[in-house]
Amino acid sequence: DTEVTQTPKHLVMGMTNKKSLKCEQHMGHRAMYWYKQKAKKPPELMFVYSYEKLSINESVPSRFSPECPNSSLLNLHLHALQPEDSALYLCASSNPRTGRNSPLHFGNGTRLTVT
Amino acid sequence: KNQVEQSPQSLIILEGKNCTLQCNYTVSPFSNLRWYKQDTGRGPVSLTIMTFSENTKSNGRYTATLDADTKQSSLHITASQLSDSASYICVVSGTTDSWGKLQFGAGTQVVVTP
Repeated sequence: DTEVTQTPKHLVMGMTNKKSLKCEQHMGHRAMYWYKQKAKKPPELMFVYSYEKLSINESVPSRFSPECPNSSLLNLHLHALQPEDSALYLCASSNPRTGRNSPLHFGNGTRLTVT
Repeated sequence: KNQVEQSPQSLIILEGKNCTLQCNYTVSPFSNLRWYKQDTGRGPVSLTIMTFSENTKSNGRYTATLDADTKQSSLHITASQLSDSASYICVVSGTTDSWGKLQFGAGTQVVVTP
C-alpha cells in the first residue's frame, strides 16, 4: 500500500456530471501534485500545490478545478468533462524542505472513464 | 522535443536473467535523475534518485548509473523476477525548471517470462 491514498479507485461519469477526486497523505509533505496519465504514456503534470497555494497550473482546462483545503488533502473537482479526459489521475506528494532532490510519492490513482 | 529519451521501448527477458535500460537526456543544467517503477494500473514507485555527483546507486536488485558528462543513465536489473514486469520511467529535474516540474521519459516496458 502507498502512503498517498486516492479515492475513488474507479469512477465513471457522464459529460454533464460533477464529481471530485480526493487525495490524502499524512507524511507531512507540503507539496502535492495532480498528474494525468493516458495508457502507455508517462504522467503529465497538471497542478502543483506548495504550502497549500497553487504554484503551477499547466494550462489545464477549467473543467478541472483543484483545491487544497489543508496540508494533508488535495481534491480535483471535475465538471463537464469530455471522453478524451478519460485517464488515470495520479496524486503525488513531496517534501519541499529537502529541495529538488525530494522524491515524489505517488498514490495508485483514480481510473476515470467519461461516457 | 522530449528532453528525456529511453530505450528500448520494450523488452522481454527470461526470469533470472539480467537486463539494462537506457536513458539519455538533454536537460541542462541538471539537478537530479530519478528512476521509477510503475506496475500496471498503479502509481509509480521511486527506485533511485541521483544528483550530479553520484555515479551509481543501488536499491536491492536495481542499480542505476549516471554519467552527467555524456548525459546518460542506465538501470540494471539483476536476476530478474516475475514481479519486475513493469514500466520503468526515467525522470530528470533541471535546475532552471520551475520547482515541482520534472521531465519524464516515455518509459521502457519490461516483461519477465517464466
